[in-house]
Amino acid sequence: DIQMTQSPSSLSASVGDRVTITCRASQSISTYLNWYQQKPGKAPKLLIYAASSLQSGVPSRFSGSGSGTEFTLTISSLQPEDFATYYCQQSYSTLWTFGQGTKVEFK
Amino acid sequence: QVQLQESGPGLVKPSETLSLTCGVSGYSISSDYHWGWIRQPPGKGLEWIGTIYHSGITYYNPSLKSRVTISVDTSKNQFSLNLTSVTAADTAVYYCARQLWFGDEWGSWFDPWGQGSLVTVSS
Repeated sequence: DIQMTQSPSSLSASVGDRVTITCRASQSISTYLNWYQQKPGKAPKLLIYAASSLQSGVPSRFSGSGSGTEFTLTISSLQPEDFATYYCQQSYSTLWTFGQGTKVEFK
Repeated sequence: QVQLQESGPGLVKPSETLSLTCGVSGYSISSDYHWGWIRQPPGKGLEWIGTIYHSGITYYNPSLKSRVTISVDTSKNQFSLNLTSVTAADTAVYYCARQLWFGDEWGSWFDPWGQGSLVTVSS
C-alpha cells in the first residue's frame, strides 16, 4: 500500500491567514494526488485533482502543488467557510488511499 | 448534474451482511465512468472499499476483498455494496461516489459523493 501522511494533523488559524497543509507519500506518485474538503456531517468535496488542477467551482484561493512524494495544499486567505478537515488521496496505485486528514480550526 | 444517494439499513447485527445501494440520477451508469464506495468510521479518516466499472469490472481493497462484493444494475441505474461477516469495526458512514479515471494523464478522483449512510453494527 502507498501510505499518505498529512501534516499537521490540526492547525489553528484566523480569517485572512495563509494556510499550508502538507501531504507526503511513502513512494513516488508523480502528480497523482487529489485534495478534498470535508465539513462536519457532510461528504467530502473535491478541491484539487492531479496535484494542481482546480476543480470547477472551487475558489481560486485554493491551490495545490508538488510532485513525487511531497505535496501541498495552500489556502491563500482563509475564509470562515474554509474551517473544515482536508484530506489528500493518491491515485498512482489502484489501491486508492487517503491521508489521515488535517483539521483547520478557528484560532 | 450527477447526484448519488445511498440507501440501506442503518443497523446490522454482528456476523451478518451489510447491504447498501447507491442510486444515481442525472447520468446513466451504463454510459461510462467508474463508481466507488468509501467509508469513514466515526471520528476517523476515509477508507476506499472498492470500485466498479459499468461493464462490471471491479477493484477491491485487499484488506476487505474477502468480504466485499460490488455490483451494478444498469436497468435501475444503481450500484450496490455487500459486506459480509460484519463486526463493530465496520461501523462507519458509507459513501458512494463517481470515480473519474483518466489513466496515465491525470489519475483518478472521486466526484461527486453521496451524502453518506451511517451503518452501525450492533446486536
